[in-house]
This record gives sequence, structure tokens and C-alpha cells, in this order.
Amino acid sequence: SAVISQKPSRDICQRGTSLTIQCQVDSQVTMMFWYRQQPGQSLTLIATANQGSEATYESGFVIDKFPISRPNLTFSTLTVSNMSPEDSSIYLCSVEGTPSGANVLTFGAGSRLTVL
Amino acid sequence: RKEVEQDPGPFNVPEGATVAFNCTYSNSASQSFFWYRQDCRKEPKLLMSVYSSGNEDGRFTAQLNRASQYISLLIRDSKLSDSATYLCAVISGGGADGLTFGKGTHLIIQP
Repeated sequence: SAVISQKPSRDICQRGTSLTIQCQVDSQVTMMFWYRQQPGQSLTLIATANQGSEATYESGFVIDKFPISRPNLTFSTLTVSNMSPEDSSIYLCSVEGTPSGANVLTFGAGSRLTVL
Repeated sequence: RKEVEQDPGPFNVPEGATVAFNCTYSNSASQSFFWYRQDCRKEPKLLMSVYSSGNEDGRFTAQLNRASQYISLLIRDSKLSDSATYLCAVISGGGADGLTFGKGTHLIIQP
């Protein structure tokens, strides 16, 4: 299955600052997904990162707050902008595919963000 | 009604026992169903897909009940290492970008 490297693994940030999370995959993938998992909550899809086009955002998430880059088929970044304590969460990137087939996701280890 | 609902637990189960929990979904048009396992402070990992005919993988059995709109996960002969949070995931439309996760059921296997 795909191996996903995500960094930083954790960070503590000040209110009002921005943080960029990087996600590197060891194989070329068409779509990469960015999720958020807040304490005690389910995984929530933020956006789908497509190479060569703008990311597709889910309801409740906007590009100004969560800009995404997808410069090639193996890499993506998610920026959490102008952070507030409510942004404290685990952010996970994921890709679809092998070994278990279509619609199955493999996740990165996640980036645990704490905003003071 | 939330799209995907799970009993958060925790389920405290003695080692060796059988445990089962369900996950209900609201969209009758849902097509694909999965169980993921998430260990504490780790990322979710696929445990098994859930097929219409049900499927079994060792001590784990997953079943789909379309009429009542739920999927189930049964764990036999539970091990201490089965302690984790079990997330169900449902695709209601589209592909993987249509995955909706439940909040998870926390399982604790006690020695």
C-alpha cells in the first residue's frame, strides 16, 4: 500500500499565525484528501486536492482558511491560516487505492495541532 | 439524524469474549461500507470492507443489513490487542471523496 509521510507530526502555534502541513506519498496518486479529526469527533473531509486544478472544498471549509497546494502527483500541502484555538485538531492526509481497492483510504500519521 | 452513527462506548469486554457493535447510516442509497481501526494517537487503518453478502477475516465478521440500514462488526475470541476505536465509514455517492465516518466505538479488552 502507499506510504504517506506527513509533517509536522505535531505543533503548538500562537493564535493568528498560519501553519503549513506537508504530505508526501511514495507513489503517484490522482486524488489526495485532507481530513480533520477534532477531539471526540469523527473524521471530517476538508477538501480533495487534485493535481493541476484547484482543490474541491467541502461545505463549511473555504480556501482562504485552508489553502491547499498540489504541485505534483506525490505531494500536497494544507495550510491552516489565521489560526484560533478552535482549529486545534489532528489533520490527516490520505490517498485512495491499493491494496484493498477503490474507495479505500490510506492515511498519513496525522499532524496534531494545538493553538494557544 | 446524523449520516453515520455509532455507539461511542466504551465497550469493556473480558479477553476471550465475543463483542459486536453496529453502525447505522441514514442514506438508503449508500453503496460502500467499511470498518476502520484507530489506535490511540494513531491514524485510522482499514480493518475490512463490508460486502452485501457479509465477510469474515479471521476473528472478525462484518455484515450489512440494508433493510435496517446498519453494518455490524463482530469480534470473536477478543485479544488485548483488539483494544482500539472502531470507525465505520459509508460512501453515499461518488467515490472516496464521498466517505462519511462515524465517530467511532471505543473498545477496551480487559485481561
